[in-house]
Amino acid sequence: DAGVIQSPRHEVTEMGQEVTLRCKPISGHNSLFWYRQTMMRGLELLIYFNNNVPIDDSGMPEDRFSAKMPNASFSTLKIQPSEPRDSAVYFCASSPPGQSNQPQHFGDGTRLSIL
Amino acid sequence: AQRVTQPEKLLSVFKGAPVELKCNYSYSGSPELFWYVQYSRQRLQLLLRHISRESIKGFTADLNKGETSFHLKKPFAQEEDSAMYYCALREYGNKLVFGAGTILRVKS
Repeated sequence: DAGVIQSPRHEVTEMGQEVTLRCKPISGHNSLFWYRQTMMRGLELLIYFNNNVPIDDSGMPEDRFSAKMPNASFSTLKIQPSEPRDSAVYFCASSPPGQSNQPQHFGDGTRLSIL
Repeated sequence: AQRVTQPEKLLSVFKGAPVELKCNYSYSGSPELFWYVQYSRQRLQLLLRHISRESIKGFTADLNKGETSFHLKKPFAQEEDSAMYYCALREYGNKLVFGAGTILRVKS
């Protein structure tokens, strides 16, 4: 099992450009999470999907951020237009169905740099 | 709002010394707390959860409702314990609220 797969691993782009981050959760997992990690704020939850439906997007910073989950095996996080303050590591995580105390399984993250 | 506070950004100890990574929380219900760890070049992963009352890699954490704390402890630190440690609180369903994280550096 390759675990949660994120792409790209690194992204460097100029401000104003559109950025798309991709995530493939572990097969059979029905919850998917997008997080942003920075030194100042630690790990912040951006959005949480359950059975492909967004449950909580209260952490999405602004309208420039959007996330989709068109099917159980794929999700995207898009930033348009990007700004330097969006530079961070973005993690995707998934967890299996069942009792609510299932652990979250994290991907390797995408290190995003906006110049 | 539910909050998790990890007051130390960096904790540096010598090998063999005791370790305590602090975590305090605010939650109106019955809390479920976790510690996640990220070793260098590895993925963030679950270390332990309070409901299991387990010891993993020599680490333990006791939930203290009176002090609203869930500190992570190990009696004798090892160099391989050097990592980033996150305390997390289950808010509802599968949603976790994470603290800002503490970097543990174990020096030889």
